Amino acid sequence: AQSVTQLGSHVSVSEGALVLLRCNYSSSVPPYLFWYVQYPNQGLQLLLKYTSAATLVKGINGFEAEFKKSETSFHLTKPSAHMSDAAEYFCAVSEVDSSYKLIFGSGTRLLVRP
Amino acid sequence: DVKVTQSSRYLVKRTGEKVFLECVQDMDHENMFWYRQDPGLGLRLIYFSYDVKMKEKGDIPEGYSVSREKKERFSLILESASTNQTSMYLCASSTQGRRTSGRHEQYFGPGTRLTVT
Repeated sequence: AQSVTQLGSHVSVSEGALVLLRCNYSSSVPPYLFWYVQYPNQGLQLLLKYTSAATLVKGINGFEAEFKKSETSFHLTKPSAHMSDAAEYFCAVSEVDSSYKLIFGSGTRLLVRP
Repeated sequence: DVKVTQSSRYLVKRTGEKVFLECVQDMDHENMFWYRQDPGLGLRLIYFSYDVKMKEKGDIPEGYSVSREKKERFSLILESASTNQTSMYLCASSTQGRRTSGRHEQYFGPGTRLTVT
């Protein structure tokens, strides 16, 4: 079964600084990969997804992520943090079997300092 | 615009009560999921369903049951609520459509924050 590791339960950056949220997955078979964002007291919203096309994936709100098979990583970045980016971010990977399940990381809470 | 709705945003129940959480999606999706979310643990899958009247256990099904009588509706039932079931509950749906990647993309409802006292 797949597993997902998100390094850092909390990440704090200054407004305008680079955002880097880390995600590593376990499978040797290239899966489908997702980043979701959750604002306080809301459900999860899809930021971007990797589906075996381009390895650099652009998402909403200026976020992007790069799929690196050799490192089994799918880190999320944004060049310049905005106060509105403060939220919890979840990396998810599709299960390698024929199910439709996603396996989620434990989440990273992004704090943006003024 | 795709939509997944959940019957309550906040719910307070007493220990031992039977609790129903309802989820409705308007996207004609075949797959529906129930997760619980707890700090530091991410999302854990409770039950999922691929079709009407079909259900499969997820990672933490104990103490829960589900019902899917109609394609658009997936209910989570806590037969006898306990304090350790205090959590945020999230419903999601996804398609079994032709595009493989689209099958895995899940759409989420706003969540129900359940407190059991």
